Amino acid sequence: EVQLVESGGGLVQPGRSLRLSCTASGFTFGDYAMSWFRQAPGKGLEWVGFIRSKAYGGTTEYAASVKGRFTVSRDDSRSIAYLQMNSLKIEDTAVYYCSSPLSHNAILTGLHWGQGTLVTVSS
Amino acid sequence: EIVMTQSPATLSVSPGERATLSCRASQSVNSNLAWYQQKPGQAPRLLIYGASTRATGIPARFSGSGSGTEFTLTISSLQSEDFAVYYCQHYNNWPGTFGQGTKVEIK
Repeated sequence: EVQLVESGGGLVQPGRSLRLSCTASGFTFGDYAMSWFRQAPGKGLEWVGFIRSKAYGGTTEYAASVKGRFTVSRDDSRSIAYLQMNSLKIEDTAVYYCSSPLSHNAILTGLHWGQGTLVTVSS
Repeated sequence: EIVMTQSPATLSVSPGERATLSCRASQSVNSNLAWYQQKPGQAPRLLIYGASTRATGIPARFSGSGSGTEFTLTISSLQSEDFAVYYCQHYNNWPGTFGQGTKVEIK
């Protein structure tokens, strides 16, 4: 059974940094891209970014709203994906989900999802 | 960036009735369209991809149709567990934007 477990959320001041982790099990982690999505309180879903598998270069893509501030990385030996969030803004407050896609050709989809971790940016 | 627009915002339906949800893209996304269901406090669940293919384990009462810019999710006979928010998402290119959601509530 595929399981994705996020951790690292919490309360952080504007301008500070936070790193989220997504620990995966139940599938060959290194074979898949991994994505991060977020959902602000009471709002809809937003794709944040993804990292391709090493077979596809391990490269990353980001939403314009986070590009230059957020970084997705992965440690295939530990089956963990990370979301490093720098220069956090109040509008980054959201539940953050990690997800694995349906396939490489549908890399922006979310087939399996974690339970989410809440990040609150406030002074 | 492609804008996805869902209608209606809220749909009030009685159990056993049919529900039809719409999703429109601001430009063609071919058939690269997914539908998700989300219940309060839960992560989204993928229902449909490729505009019309049900994901593994999704009941046959869920069906998707459309291509290009106009898409429909139909729930043929609503069950109690189907009352939730439904999102469409295109994945034709990044960012794979979502619609704002349709809440299906009990009438």
